[in-house]
Amino acid sequence: ELKVEQNPLFLSMQEGKNYTIYCNYSTISDRLYWYRQDPGKSLESLFVLLSNGAVKQEGRLMASLDTKARLSTLHITAAVHDLSATYFCAVDKVHYQLIWGAGTKLIIKP
Amino acid sequence: GAGVSQTPSNKVTEKGKYVELRCDPISGHTALYWYRQSLGQGPEFLIYFQGTGAADDSGLPNDRFFAVRPEGSVSTLKIQRTERGDSAVYLCASSSQGSTGELFFGEGSRLTVL
Repeated sequence: ELKVEQNPLFLSMQEGKNYTIYCNYSTISDRLYWYRQDPGKSLESLFVLLSNGAVKQEGRLMASLDTKARLSTLHITAAVHDLSATYFCAVDKVHYQLIWGAGTKLIIKP
Repeated sequence: GAGVSQTPSNKVTEKGKYVELRCDPISGHTALYWYRQSLGQGPEFLIYFQGTGAADDSGLPNDRFFAVRPEGSVSTLKIQRTERGDSAVYLCASSSQGSTGELFFGEGSRLTVL
């Protein structure tokens, strides 16, 4: 059974700091997705990682994928308040049936 | 419209009632998905349509849940004899054929069963 674990589940940090969110998954998959969710809103796609060693960056966020370690990271550089949200990773099980982590609630204090 | 549209945005019903939730995907997207999200959790897969047919309905929790997509566009998720445990946000997503699998989600329908 494919399981996806994120850590930490909750993170409070100051603006300007760097931090990393980790996403581990239990079985082989070469597609991993990161989404952002604001309170009461839907899910917004951030990154699609399709191969081992893939690295993608958008602004202060950078995501990477190591399929051999079954690990993806989402790195936040010099955090700003606007990045406060819940971040989910999801792994493609089959036919785009995604298995999701529990989410990391990120609070960035001014 | 430009994005995935879901109606109603909120639905409050009584235990035992029948509920329909509607999803209008992005125009031209052939794949449509229903997920369910409970508070503080990640989404849970329910069903996947490719065109008009349900290609994978393995996530539907029991036979009280049913979904249709008769013309390959709009989909309706139907829940019979609702139970309090059905309370959640029901999310619809769509994607284009041959894409990377990136899903585009609607705002969701929040169902509360009293």
